[in-house]
Amino acid sequence: EIVLTQSPATLSLSPGERATLSCRASQSVSNYLAWYQHRPGQAPRLLIYDASNRATGIPARFSGNGSGTDFTLTISSLEPEDFAVYYCQQRSNWPPYTFGQGTKLEIK
Amino acid sequence: EVQLVESGGGLVQPGGSLRLSCAASGFTFSYHAMIWVRQAPGKGLEWVSYITSSRSTIYYTDSVKGRFTVSRDNAKNSLYLQMNSLRAEDTAVYYCARVTVTPYNWFDAWGQGTLVTVSS
Repeated sequence: EIVLTQSPATLSLSPGERATLSCRASQSVSNYLAWYQHRPGQAPRLLIYDASNRATGIPARFSGNGSGTDFTLTISSLEPEDFAVYYCQQRSNWPPYTFGQGTKLEIK
Repeated sequence: EVQLVESGGGLVQPGGSLRLSCAASGFTFSYHAMIWVRQAPGKGLEWVSYITSSRSTIYYTDSVKGRFTVSRDNAKNSLYLQMNSLRAEDTAVYYCARVTVTPYNWFDAWGQGTLVTVSS
């Protein structure tokens, strides 16, 4: 099973700042990695798939990068609605699909 | 508008059973594989089960094999999860999600979840 490790666990930033979230895989997942946003009480939302492609309707301030074992999600300028928990997920070697443990992006 | 609505959660005793449902609308349900994902209190997301559009392929995470059964009724646009021999560690919010066709094999629509609590 591929283990995904996200860092940091919590990121405290202010609106307008740039956020960089990391996800490291225990073995190569090629570019088969996605990022999801999860606000409390809401449905998770697909942001990025295949490491760097924005899903339908996702604002351009969200971008993904990486391949192999190291990936990043960048939010170029934080909006109030961006404060949430973010998960990476792989489909390189499935089943099982695996998720990272999440990064909580909180308002500073 | 794509919608997924879960139902059937509740409080159940250890060893008990529960059947979750997921009602789909706004898209051609029969074209898509579907999954169940859960989130235990204070924890992250965990994939539980996968079923193809034709029901020909089904997968489970190891911890629920032999206890949970996923099924679907394409005529009713519905996905199900029969959960038997429930344990305290099955306590979680359960989400259904749609698996994309193009791009391949991501989860692009999710429900809001239904809470399952296993406790005596």
